[in-house]
Amino acid sequence: KAGVTQTPRYLIKTRGQQVTLSCSPISGHRSVSWYQQTPGQGLQFLFEYFSETQRNKGNFPGRFSGRQFSNSRSEMNVSTLELGDSALYLCASSPSVGKLGNEQFFGPGTRLTVL
Amino acid sequence: GDSVTQMEGPVTLSEEAFLTINCTYTATGYPSLFWYVQYPGEGLQLLLKATKADDKGSNKGFEATYRKETTSFHLEKGSVQVSDSAVYFCARVNSGGYQKVTFGIGTKLQVIP
Repeated sequence: KAGVTQTPRYLIKTRGQQVTLSCSPISGHRSVSWYQQTPGQGLQFLFEYFSETQRNKGNFPGRFSGRQFSNSRSEMNVSTLELGDSALYLCASSPSVGKLGNEQFFGPGTRLTVL
Repeated sequence: GDSVTQMEGPVTLSEEAFLTINCTYTATGYPSLFWYVQYPGEGLQLLLKATKADDKGSNKGFEATYRKETTSFHLEKGSVQVSDSAVYFCARVNSGGYQKVTFGIGTKLQVIP
């Protein structure tokens, strides 16, 4: 089974631009979560989608948004980029919700650099 | 709210030394507990997990026991190798309903030959 894939792996943008990151979960997984990882803040939860519905959202400004498609693929968008948005963005998928001990499977991440 | 407290690194050990990375969690509900590992340039991967009190998770020589009385899930390994150098994350997941995942800050381990 193929793992979680994220594209692109690396991105360089300038302040004020917008960016879209893509995540393809493991086949059959319906839950997709996004995280921002920075050296100072660790892993910060962005949002989680299940069956095309956003189920929960972290404490990020409205510039950060996402969506999930009917095939469970997910995208996240960041508008009006700021220098502080430079980070590794990780996507994780899970087979279902409500199951005890449900683990998350992570992709390799997209490294975003904002200049 | 839910939280995971993890010792901050970096932790530097010599090869074959004993490793302990402390982790404590908030006891709201009956969480499942996880240790994830992140090798350089990669995403996180599950190392081990435990879903109820007194469960012991183990994998690749690493162990952690779900201690409800001390709300702890410390990671241990008897003899570390250079290849264990990575960042280790402790995490909790609520049981039932919406399973919110909360990660610790991560502990960087460096093993020197």
